[in-house]
Amino acid sequence: GQQVMQIPQYQHVQEGEDFTTYCNSSTTLSNIQWYKQRPGGHPVFLIQLVKSGEVKKQKRLTFQFGEAKKNSSLHITATQTTDVGTYFCDDAGNMLTFGGGTRLMVKP
Amino acid sequence: DAGITQSPRYKITETGRQVTLMCHQTWSHSYMFWYRQDLGHGLRLIYYSAAADITDKGEVPDGYVVSRSKTENFPLTLESATRSQTSVYFCASRRGEDTEAFFGQGTRLTVV
Repeated sequence: GQQVMQIPQYQHVQEGEDFTTYCNSSTTLSNIQWYKQRPGGHPVFLIQLVKSGEVKKQKRLTFQFGEAKKNSSLHITATQTTDVGTYFCDDAGNMLTFGGGTRLMVKP
Repeated sequence: DAGITQSPRYKITETGRQVTLMCHQTWSHSYMFWYRQDLGHGLRLIYYSAAADITDKGEVPDGYVVSRSKTENFPLTLESATRSQTSVYFCASRRGEDTEAFFGQGTRLTVV
């Protein structure tokens, strides 16, 4: 699988602020999957993006796939304490390898 | 997700001992994976399997052995546990390429 880099590694936000995490690859990705891991929990699938320029929304979460299919972003509008966790991206090729993740902490 | 289970959930073992972590899935998914996650870090792939009797190394395979004689089971064995193998281990499965992965609850292993 492709190695993807995620930035930032950590992000502290005040509740109600927006949050964005980025996933970058030096090579073209076949598709991108996003997962969320709550503290003490296991990763849970959020979404998959396949098409160039694709944008998908899940309530306050917006996922975007770059036009060149080399990057992706996850944007959370008006964060809540329930958004706390680590967000991982992955190029879902044959070998499921994850980026390092972005750990989101939300101050109430 | 009740369809993929790991056992045990917690394990303490001594350096040098052999220990096996079990992973069982009920969906007949072709692909299965083992990861380790160290405190505050991401997931690192240890081994994966595309089908029964087919396994391949991931990023950090040294010190680990896997087998997959049946589609539903994918045990991970630490042949001679070391303290550096203290970690949380996650098993995952998915039906095919580019499909959603489902993770087990994890096994917290401590090597003393």
